[in-house]
Amino acid sequence: DAGVTQSPTHLIKTRGQHVTLRCSPISGHKSVSWYQQVLGQGPQFIFQYYEKEERGRGNFPDRFSARQFPNYSSELNVNALLLGDSALYLCASSRQGQSSYEQYFGPGTRLTVT
Amino acid sequence: GQQLNQSPQSMFIQEGEDVSMNCTSSSIFNTWLWYKQDPGEGPVLLIALYKAGELTSNGRLTAQFGITRKDSFLNISASIPSDVGIYFCAGQSSGTYKYIFGTGTRLKVLA
Repeated sequence: DAGVTQSPTHLIKTRGQHVTLRCSPISGHKSVSWYQQVLGQGPQFIFQYYEKEERGRGNFPDRFSARQFPNYSSELNVNALLLGDSALYLCASSRQGQSSYEQYFGPGTRLTVT
Repeated sequence: GQQLNQSPQSMFIQEGEDVSMNCTSSSIFNTWLWYKQDPGEGPVLLIALYKAGELTSNGRLTAQFGITRKDSFLNISASIPSDVGIYFCAGQSSGTYKYIFGTGTRLKVLA
């Protein structure tokens, strides 16, 4: 079975622009979480979605938004990009959106803001 | 953002040696996950722990859920060159959906 897939792999944007990142979960998984990983640090939680509903949000500004589609794929949107938004954006899928779940990560999208 | 403390921050070891690392939190967790991440790739799930005191193995890897529920430990036996990478712990509190990750332990194996 295919793992979590993310697109694009790499992206270069200019300050003030908008970006959309995409994620397809493992087949049969209904929950998707988004994380931001800055170089040299561990991933930071941004959002979790389950059955198209937002279940959790991390400490990120409103410039960050996400949604989940009926096929359980997800998009992460970031508006008004700042230099500090440069990071590896990771998507993780899990079977259900509940406590104590195993989550599996995709390869990530490397976003560079210039 | 909030991160868990992992120790050691980095370590060099000889091939064949055993490795121990730990992760500590000021909060109580009900789930611990351990991941390995190679450069430019996403983290790969190694072991999941769900109960205090639980000891779980995956090949040469063994992880334990601390009895205080504020720490977890990962051991790698007989290390090999492909064990090189960054190891992250991640903990989840009861009633929340997010995982909080550790600062990472960078492992380098000398052949």
